[in-house]
Amino acid sequence: DAGVIQSPRHEVTEMGQEVTLRCKPISGHDYLFWYRQTMMRGLELLIYFNNNVPIDDSGMPEDRFSAKMPNASFSTLKIQPSEPRDSAVYFCASSSPWASGELFFGEGSRLTVL
Amino acid sequence: AQTVTQSQPEMSVQEAETVTLSCTYDTSESDYYLFWYKQPPSRQMILVIRQEAYKQQNATENRFSVNFQKAAKSFSLKISDSQLGDAAMYFCAYRRNAGGTSYGKLTFGQGTILTVHP
Repeated sequence: DAGVIQSPRHEVTEMGQEVTLRCKPISGHDYLFWYRQTMMRGLELLIYFNNNVPIDDSGMPEDRFSAKMPNASFSTLKIQPSEPRDSAVYFCASSSPWASGELFFGEGSRLTVL
Repeated sequence: AQTVTQSQPEMSVQEAETVTLSCTYDTSESDYYLFWYKQPPSRQMILVIRQEAYKQQNATENRFSVNFQKAAKSFSLKISDSQLGDAAMYFCAYRRNAGGTSYGKLTFGQGTILTVHP
């Protein structure tokens, strides 16, 4: 299996622009997670889905952030408008009922907002 | 809410020596998983070892082993015969098992940076 695939790997944008991060989970996995990693706050859960349905979005910082999972093989995290404080590494992860609780992570998308 | 605490921001070890990374957690659940993930400079999150709460036996994976103290809510990672490639950020993490396939979210500690000296 190809693992969790995220794109882009790196994104540099200017404040106010819209940013869309993409994730393809491992086939057959029914949970999908979006995490954000910064030096100050560590790894924070933003939102997670089960069977394409958002279960907990309490970690989404504010209305500028939105996430969707239109089908079992694709999810997006959108920031509009972006701000410099959104600069971070964004990880997508997925898990399966047969993986004994393990999360499989993508390589992350490093976002820099100037 | 579950919390995970790693009290050692940084640790160092000489190559071939043994090092132990500490982790404590807080939960009212009885059925859960604990993990140690490794994040090298490449930033890829890699599972090192997993412990199921209902198993009393400590998990072991080659040079990596844990000391799981359920009553004390402690979950330390021991790395034996340390190698240069072990240098990374290590995260302790908790995930409840709500029964069947309902796992919920993974909660991470703050991380410990491990340096390995040649």
